[in-house]
Amino acid sequence: DAGVTQSPTHLIKTRGQQVTLRCSPKSGHDTVSWYQQALGQGPQFIFQYYEEEERQRGNFPDRFSGHQFPNYSSELNVNALLLGDSALYLCASNTGGQNEAFFGQGTRLTVV
Amino acid sequence: AQTVTQSQPEMSVQEAETVTLSCTYDTSESNYYLFWYKQPPSRQMILVIRQEAYKQQNATENRFSVNFQKAAKSFSLKISDSQLGDTAMYFCAFLPKYIFGTGTRLKVLA
Repeated sequence: DAGVTQSPTHLIKTRGQQVTLRCSPKSGHDTVSWYQQALGQGPQFIFQYYEEEERQRGNFPDRFSGHQFPNYSSELNVNALLLGDSALYLCASNTGGQNEAFFGQGTRLTVV
Repeated sequence: AQTVTQSQPEMSVQEAETVTLSCTYDTSESNYYLFWYKQPPSRQMILVIRQEAYKQQNATENRFSVNFQKAAKSFSLKISDSQLGDTAMYFCAFLPKYIFGTGTRLKVLA
């Protein structure tokens, strides 16, 4: 079992650009959540996808959007990148709303 | 609004000793779950232990146990027989609102 896999592991983008991050959930999991973790902080919930629909959303602007595919994998898109978007982006998967989430190793995004 | 507070930014403990990390939360929900996650320098968040709010018995996983005080909205993590591999950031998390605390950096000293 490969667990939750994220790609790429590191990424450098220029302010104003757009970025797409990818996540494959743990085998058997149908729910994917995305988090932003700034340096020295706890993860902040961005949104959650289930059955290809956004089910919950945290306090993030519309520049942050996502998608879930029929195979349950997911993408996080961020448009018009700001310097403040530099962070570790974590993907987590689970089954059902209350079960513990399994996390990937994250994508370190640096905006310059 | 739900909040999760970890008031200890950093802690250290000698190898083989016991340490307790604190977490308090605020919610009006009656049905919720609490988790402790560990994040080592490798960045991957690893589940340590979970507690269902409707269960009065405190959860235990090997050397890790919690002290869940529902009325006080407190959820502390006790690590017994600390090992060097326990060195990491520890986050308390609340579901169903997917809220994490700011973390406690734990260093286990040889």
